[in-house]
Amino acid sequence: DGGITQSPKYLFRKEGQNVTLSCEQNLNHDAMYWYRQDPGQGLRLIYYSQIVNDFQKGDIAEGYSVSREKKESFPLTVTSAQKNPTAFYLCASSIYQGPNTEAFFGQGTRLTVV
Amino acid sequence: AQSVTQLGSHVSVSEGALVLLRCNYSSSVPPYLFWYVQYPNQGLQLLLKYTSAATLVKGINGFEAEFKKSETSFHLTKPSAHMSDAAEYFCAVSDRRYSGGGADGLTFGKGTHLIIQP
Repeated sequence: DGGITQSPKYLFRKEGQNVTLSCEQNLNHDAMYWYRQDPGQGLRLIYYSQIVNDFQKGDIAEGYSVSREKKESFPLTVTSAQKNPTAFYLCASSIYQGPNTEAFFGQGTRLTVV
Repeated sequence: AQSVTQLGSHVSVSEGALVLLRCNYSSSVPPYLFWYVQYPNQGLQLLLKYTSAATLVKGINGFEAEFKKSETSFHLTKPSAHMSDAAEYFCAVSDRRYSGGGADGLTFGKGTHLIIQP
């Protein structure tokens, strides 16, 4: 079945550590996205990529980094520079045909700083 | 800037009653509007979207939404609530000023948690 796979589902990080969240899609979508979700805050865009080897900052990119070496994969690294990393992280993908494009979401990774 | 306001962070209805979740948007150009549903600890799933073809949009699971330009609203309704409808619902807006061509221009509301009373 086609879809988006995020791993791990739960992740614990010590303060000062970098962690990488995995996102893989087999929908053959060109575009991929990372969102952060906090209770009562909706979703906020961290980074997005329209094409392999290219990516753009979203609204809250500080303290995060990404890569897009393959069409299927868009990993997100939460660096030690991110002051408040505890959140639910959602990866999404879409075709690239205009602002009426629907985003397809993974199941999310819940990151907790301990 | 485009924005979305969802009135009511929590809405409680009885099983079998009408569900009404409110969404108002701000956009100076014709918008595209979406409703997504999120079940606990899961990703978002598209319920329906408005793309100007028809003002009344039917979606999955018996939900529908009506685009009202004069009221800048896109409220979500379902005639009869079911226990399985309990979830978080997000309204989102996108327009050509902010989208590079995909979902990067989506602006989400803060969500409404729908509670179904037995």
